[in-house]
Amino acid sequence: GAVVSQHPSRVICKSGTSVKIECRSLDFQATTMFWYRQFPKQSLMLMATSNEGSKATYEQGVEKDKFLINHASLTLSTLTVTSAHPEDSSFYICSARGLGDSLNSPLHFGNGTRLTVT
Amino acid sequence: GENVEQHPSTLSVQEGDSAVIKCTYSDSASNYFPWYKQELGKGPQLIIDIRSNVGEKKDQRIAVTLNKTAKHFSLHITETQPEDSAVYFCAATSSGGYQKVTFGIGTKLQVIP
Repeated sequence: GAVVSQHPSRVICKSGTSVKIECRSLDFQATTMFWYRQFPKQSLMLMATSNEGSKATYEQGVEKDKFLINHASLTLSTLTVTSAHPEDSSFYICSARGLGDSLNSPLHFGNGTRLTVT
Repeated sequence: GENVEQHPSTLSVQEGDSAVIKCTYSDSASNYFPWYKQELGKGPQLIIDIRSNVGEKKDQRIAVTLNKTAKHFSLHITETQPEDSAVYFCAATSSGGYQKVTFGIGTKLQVIP
């Protein structure tokens, strides 16, 4: 149980275009989803937290107009990288916390999306 | 906010030996400490976790210890196997409004056959 599906796993796009990444909880309802960015050989850096039906909360230094997050349902959150540039190339990972999960419960991670902007 | 420090950043052990990874945290209000294993090109997977009302937890070859006073927690892997090779992250969950999870920088473990 507690499977998070992230799509696509890899995407290559041209500079200036936008890319949408989907994160779905397959067998549970996710009230809260988290989006992380991971550079090579580095840790996961939290970009934003989204709660179903409300606006995402962005971490300091993350441009909300560049990284659009939508959490329209209890099973789907999307991250759109707008006007992508080569420096946006990275590994993006989502995670989810289930409905009713307490603070002391593990996050369920997707398998990540490798974004390459040419 | 919470700050989690993890060391070593890389660790090589011979197959069958033990591996220990250590973390410290700064926020005394943190009370949940998961450990994740990340294989290349994949998302992190939970391998073990510990809550602040427990000092030690074991699951087969993996154990975690927690010292709340010193704000230290450690991962112990015994009888290591090549498939244990991966990057391991410790994390601490703060008590903030959005229950943020702060990760350590990761430890790349290599088990040499």
